[in-house]
Amino acid sequence: SAVISQKPSRDICQRGTSLTIQCQVDSQVTMMFWYRQQPGQSLTLIATANQGSEATYESGFVIDKFPISRPNLTFSTLTVSNMSPEDSSIYLCSVEVRSDGYTFGSGTRLTVV
Amino acid sequence: TQLLEQSPQFLSIQEGENLTVYCNSSSVFSSLQWYRQEPGEGPVLLVTVVTGGEVKKLKRLTFQFGDARKDSSLHITAAQTGDTGLYLCAESGNTGKLIFGQGTTLQVKP
Repeated sequence: SAVISQKPSRDICQRGTSLTIQCQVDSQVTMMFWYRQQPGQSLTLIATANQGSEATYESGFVIDKFPISRPNLTFSTLTVSNMSPEDSSIYLCSVEVRSDGYTFGSGTRLTVV
Repeated sequence: TQLLEQSPQFLSIQEGENLTVYCNSSSVFSSLQWYRQEPGEGPVLLVTVVTGGEVKKLKRLTFQFGDARKDSSLHITAAQTGDTGLYLCAESGNTGKLIFGQGTTLQVKP
């Protein structure tokens, strides 16, 4: 199955600043997915990142707040912009490997103070 | 948008007890996946069910897919403390996007 390296694993940030989260996959994948998860709760899809095109955002999420880059088939970044305490959450990236289902990174635990 | 309703949301049991978690949808699943997530980690795939009426077993875990493919269940026999975690059902559909149920937090006490 695919292995995802996600970093940072956690960060504490000041409100009004931005944080960029990176995901590196050990194989080439067409789509990468970004999720948000409140501790102890389920995952909510933020956007789908395709290489060579703009990311597709889910309802309630916009590009200005969560810009995404997908420069190649093994890497993606999610930026949380102009952060507020409401952005405190766990952010995860994911890829689908047809033979093995979906694989997730370990997540980035973000605290905004 | 497909809505996945998962129940119960929280479950606290003693080691050795049995439990069942349910996942229901307002429409037909193309396929359904069950994941388990531990703190500080991403969800890990347990099983994928595709065919109505399908039953899959993974050691003490039994997964069922309803005949009409609108519901699924996860049954754990003789729960162990190592089963503690967040259990999630999810459906991918034709778009490739994985949509999750609300999750069931399971605590198994020694």
